[in-house]
Amino acid sequence: DSGVTQTPKHLITATGQRVTLRCSPRSGDLSVYWYQQSLDQGLQFLIQYYNGEERAKGNILERFSAQQFPDLHSELNLSSLELGDSALYFCASSRNRGGGYGYTFGSGTRLTVV
Amino acid sequence: GQQLNQSPQSMFIQEGEDVSMNCTSSSIFNTWLWYKQDPGEGPVLLIALYKAGELTSNGRLTAQFGITRKDSFLNISASIPSDVGIYFCAGQLRVGNEKLTFGTGTRLTIIP
Repeated sequence: DSGVTQTPKHLITATGQRVTLRCSPRSGDLSVYWYQQSLDQGLQFLIQYYNGEERAKGNILERFSAQQFPDLHSELNLSSLELGDSALYFCASSRNRGGGYGYTFGSGTRLTVV
Repeated sequence: GQQLNQSPQSMFIQEGEDVSMNCTSSSIFNTWLWYKQDPGEGPVLLIALYKAGELTSNGRLTAQFGITRKDSFLNISASIPSDVGIYFCAGQLRVGNEKLTFGTGTRLTIIP
């Protein structure tokens, strides 16, 4: 157990729908990062939050949004889902704003859009 | 966004062989990290490097922070079946508050 909790583990939904992925960071970590990993692909950075505020944005689609709440948990919202959104979505956390001591990853949410 | 180039993309080796992979960047990095991802799981940190020229070991794994600060290497000695997975390098451009940039990954397969 890495200490980063992601729910749900698996999600199957239809095209056009909206889903919410949830992440609880490791205790004491203030930064949360979201990554997308499609089949046989690397880790595509989506967005980072630090202590409730958006800090960095990557290749995140306009249909996707995220937030970090006062208790530091984060949610990634995916709307108007398309088949190509099927992927593993990882959340990671780090103590500081940058992660120079490494990120701790959750075990991911596997999203299947049918 | 910026990405680190890892090579090789994939490796097929026999159990007991040694493995070498590397990661290169066009920019100078101040921190290098190596992660391993098992199928269906999140990446797990293996080794962290903080100084140019630094050589660090973790069991059968050895990683080096390149002198130019633009590359890093990971070696695995006497590979075993549980070494199968995807290995990612990651770098931090500036010390402190800069987010990590991840490499493209090296997929390691062990042939029986």
